[in-house]
Amino acid sequence: DIVMTQSPDSLAVSLGERATFSCKSSQSILYSSNSKNYLAWYQQKPGQPPKLLIYWASTRESGVPDRFSGSGSGTDFTLTISSLQAEDVAVYYCQQYYDTPYTFGQGTKLEIK
Amino acid sequence: QVQLVESGGGVVQPGRSLRLSCVASGFTFSNYAVHWVRQAPGKGLEWVAVISFDANKKYYADSVKGRFTISRDNSKDTVYLQMNSLRTEDTAAYYCARAAEIGDHLYRWFDPWGQGTLVTVSS
Repeated sequence: DIVMTQSPDSLAVSLGERATFSCKSSQSILYSSNSKNYLAWYQQKPGQPPKLLIYWASTRESGVPDRFSGSGSGTDFTLTISSLQAEDVAVYYCQQYYDTPYTFGQGTKLEIK
Repeated sequence: QVQLVESGGGVVQPGRSLRLSCVASGFTFSNYAVHWVRQAPGKGLEWVAVISFDANKKYYADSVKGRFTISRDNSKDTVYLQMNSLRTEDTAAYYCARAAEIGDHLYRWFDPWGQGTLVTVSS
């Protein structure tokens, strides 16, 4: 199984500041035939289901604010919120869809400092 | 709009069975694979199972293999999760989620997700 490891477990950032989340996979999730990284990022607020933010590691889902961006390739990935807003408080998960079983990171909890 | 609605959760004793349903609307259900994902209270996300658009492919997490069965009825726009021999560690919110792209694309992100149904396994 591909193990997804996120860091840190929790993060406190001031409003308007940058928040950076890391996600590492135990093996490469870059598919050579199409040069795509099989990685998604989700946001989950309390009492709600996960919401898709980013897919193919860096493609922002329609309707997601442009302060959210994804980067990375192979085994190392980053989600960045460029200017934190109060409504961004949530838990953020990365997920690989390169192979079954599909696996998620343990999540990073984002709070306001 | 595109929507998934789960039902069938509840409180059940260890060793008993439960069947969850996921009803889809707002899109051509028969064109998409569907997943089940669970989340234990206060914990992270765990993928459970997937069924392809035509039901020809089904994959399971090792933790549920042999106990859970995923199926679908495209005439009813519904996916099911039959859960047998339930254990206390199966206690979780169960979400269904659609594969993001049409057709035989199992290896895609999940979008959208339903609101979830809570399963509690307790004596």
